[in-house]
Amino acid sequence: GDSVTQMEGPVTLSEEAFLTINCTYTATGYPSLFWYVQYPGEGLQLLLKATKADDKGSNKGFEATYRKETTSFHLEKGSVQVSDSAVYFCALGTVNTGNQFYFGTGTSLTVIP
Amino acid sequence: EAGVTQSPTHLIKTRGQQATLRCSPISGHTSVYWYQQALGLGLQFLLWYDEGEERNRGNFPPRFSGRQFPNYSSELNVNALELEDSALYLCASRWATLNYGYTFGSGTRLTVV
Repeated sequence: GDSVTQMEGPVTLSEEAFLTINCTYTATGYPSLFWYVQYPGEGLQLLLKATKADDKGSNKGFEATYRKETTSFHLEKGSVQVSDSAVYFCALGTVNTGNQFYFGTGTSLTVIP
Repeated sequence: EAGVTQSPTHLIKTRGQQATLRCSPISGHTSVYWYQQALGLGLQFLLWYDEGEERNRGNFPPRFSGRQFPNYSSELNVNALELEDSALYLCASRWATLNYGYTFGSGTRLTVV
């Protein structure tokens, strides 16, 4: 079945460090891919998305490229800030699953000054 | 545009009681999803409602149930509460096309004592 595998956390980085959070997927159809962010005490917010192969989603300095050949959608940011401390979830959705999304387990990021 | 609203924000119940959680989707969204997020864990899919019908159900016992009303709002009921039901319950809704992703509410924090 469809699934998402996400890099285990927690991740701790110093401010201005480079961030990569790995995400790979398994899907029978042609999924759309998403990254969500959850700040402490809040619900999930859509961070960025890509709906077809080679699309790059970007928002707030974060980027992820939909790589069909490697079935990956890794999240990157060139210079993290303390305010980026949150839990990040990779997700996929496909019409084959009745438009239901599948979420990764989440990666906790802590950025220290 | 109003977001997904959930009520109550916090709920404290005694073991064995029943809890009712409510969700109002974004206007125009017909699908509502419920997720459980236990402390330190990822999202566990509970239920999916669309056009008033239950479309899919996660691996939860029957004491977790719900419904969707004609105005597309939804209710999650948890009967015979157990201590391990303590968690953040998140509701999400989406447009007809999945490419826009889910929009999440801020959640209801259920504590069972």
